[in-house]
Amino acid sequence: AQSVTQLDSQVPVFEEAPVELRCNYSSSVSVYLFWYVQYPNQGLQLLLKYLSGSTLVKGINGFEAEFNKSQTSFHLRKPSVHISDTAEYFCAVSDRGNKLVFGAGTILRVKS
Amino acid sequence: DAGITQSPRHKVTETGTPVTLRCHQTENHRYMYWYRQDPGHGLRLIHYSYGVKDTDKGEVSDGYSVSRSKTEDFLLTLESATSSQTSVYFCAIGSGTDYEQYFGPGTRLTVT
Repeated sequence: AQSVTQLDSQVPVFEEAPVELRCNYSSSVSVYLFWYVQYPNQGLQLLLKYLSGSTLVKGINGFEAEFNKSQTSFHLRKPSVHISDTAEYFCAVSDRGNKLVFGAGTILRVKS
Repeated sequence: DAGITQSPRHKVTETGTPVTLRCHQTENHRYMYWYRQDPGHGLRLIHYSYGVKDTDKGEVSDGYSVSRSKTEDFLLTLESATSSQTSVYFCAIGSGTDYEQYFGPGTRLTVT
């Protein structure tokens, strides 16, 4: 069975600083990868996805992620964060089926 | 929320009582999913549906049943609620072609 590990449960960062949220997955087969964001008391919203092609994927709100097959990683980055980026971020993987396996989440806290 | 509604949005119930949560979509998507979200566990799949009357179990299906008699509605039933089923429940939908899932606003269920 697939699994997803988000290496940090919480990441505190100052406003306008860069941030990286780390995600590793277990599958050795071809996968699809996703990052979702959840703002307080809301549902999840897709940030970006990797299905194929370029390993650098750009998403909404200035976020990007890089697929690294050899390291089975899909880390999320943003060069300069805002207070409004404070939220919980989830990495998810699909083995090309229509089911997702989610990581435990990383809470990003942006401080002024 | 991509035309997804969940009802009720909040519910408090007693141990041993049956509970039904409803998910309704207006997108005509083939796939529908029920997840539960608990701190430290991310989202875990309970059941999913790949068409009317076609359902399958997910990772944490014990104590839950589902039904889908119409494309737009997916019901989650707790036959006899237990305190361990206190959680936030999310419904999601997917077309099956882009592998994305779109999430509803969630239902907060408390079992006392």
